[in-house]
Amino acid sequence: GDSVTQMEGPVTLSEEAFLTINCTYTATGYPSLFWYVQYPGEGLQLLLKATKADDKGSNKGFEATYRKETTSFHLEKGSVQVSDSAVYFCALSGQNYGGATNKLIFGTGTLLAVQP
Amino acid sequence: DGGITQSPKYLFRKEGQNVTLSCEQNLNHDAMYWYRQDPGQGLRLIYYSQIVNDFQKGDIAEGYSVSREKKESFPLTVTSAQKNPTAFYLCASSIRLAGDTQYFGPGTRLTVL
Repeated sequence: GDSVTQMEGPVTLSEEAFLTINCTYTATGYPSLFWYVQYPGEGLQLLLKATKADDKGSNKGFEATYRKETTSFHLEKGSVQVSDSAVYFCALSGQNYGGATNKLIFGTGTLLAVQP
Repeated sequence: DGGITQSPKYLFRKEGQNVTLSCEQNLNHDAMYWYRQDPGQGLRLIYYSQIVNDFQKGDIAEGYSVSREKKESFPLTVTSAQKNPTAFYLCASSIRLAGDTQYFGPGTRLTVL
């Protein structure tokens, strides 16, 4: 079945460092790919998405490119801030699940801690 | 402001009691979802609904029930049959069922005492 694998955390960086959080997926068909961010005690917020191969999603300085050849959707940011500290989830939207649904399949999340 | 609201934020329950978590959205979305989040894990789908008066089981529906009597509301009942109900519960919605971005509420943390 479809699945998402994220790098394990925590990832600890100093402010202004470069961030990469790896995400790879297994899926049939052509899923959409997402990054969500979760701040402590809150729900998930959509950070960015890509719906087809070679698409680049971007938001708030974060970027991720849909790479079908490597089945990856790595999250990057050139210069992190303390306020970026959160848990980041990679997810895919499965195309086939009991008919026609929009089931999101999540990775286990990666905790990012940015130190001043 | 449009969005998804969940209440209460924190909920405590004694073993053997049923409890209902509220989820309301004013985004005019057709589809709604309930997920469960456990520490160090991703989210798992409990139930989803694509239209009023219709809902389907997700991956971990046992011990849970839902209703969808109104487009904007999708309450989740955690029954006494749920063996390990302590978790963070997240509600989400999307315009349609297939292929659309899901937007999440702030969550309800349920603790069984």
